[in-house]
Amino acid sequence: NAGVTQTPKFQVLKTGQSMTLQCAQDMNHEYMSWYRQDPGMGLRLIHYSVGAGITDQGEVPNGYNVSRSTTEDFPLRLLSAAPSQTSVYFCASSYGVSSGNTIYFGEGSWLTVV
Amino acid sequence: AQSVAQPEDQVNVAEGNPLTVKCTYSVSGNPYLFWYVQYPNRGLQFLLKYITGDNLVKGSYGFEAEFNKSQTSFHLKKPSALVSDSALYFCAVRDSSIKAAGNKLTFGGGTRVLVKP
Repeated sequence: NAGVTQTPKFQVLKTGQSMTLQCAQDMNHEYMSWYRQDPGMGLRLIHYSVGAGITDQGEVPNGYNVSRSTTEDFPLRLLSAAPSQTSVYFCASSYGVSSGNTIYFGEGSWLTVV
Repeated sequence: AQSVAQPEDQVNVAEGNPLTVKCTYSVSGNPYLFWYVQYPNRGLQFLLKYITGDNLVKGSYGFEAEFNKSQTSFHLKKPSALVSDSALYFCAVRDSSIKAAGNKLTFGGGTRVLVKP
């Protein structure tokens, strides 16, 4: 099993550009989410989805869009990149939405906005 | 609101010595607690979790953690540290009383562990 796969791993964007971070999981997990990691702040939830066709905002959603057309894929779109979006982005998934379920993370996408 | 505190930015330990990474939490209900490890330029790897039952939880790579409800702590421990344990460690909590799908995992700021030969 590949688990949670993210692409690209590294990306440099200019301010104002748009891009999509791809995320796919092959574990048939219902729950998928995107986090960003910033130094000293741990990980913060951007958006999440509890199944195909269902998405919702996390704690830091501004500047990002998501969609969930299939169970496997959960892309994150940056609409107009800003330097404040320079961060490491992690896609994560879990089986079901129970709070006790383990969340599994992808390898991360390092994004720099100049 | 739920929160996690990892009071040490970095922990230095000699190889073969015991390793402890501290974590305290705050939730309204009962906590679900998790530990993750992150190696350089890699994603987070799940180590262990406490949901219910025995307060001492054993996980991957010889790590264990003890849930202490009265002290609201969930410290990560390893009896004998290896150089390969050098990494960034994150504690995280979810409130078991929140049934909504948006019950996010709240992370601490992370503790860097450096194990010296």
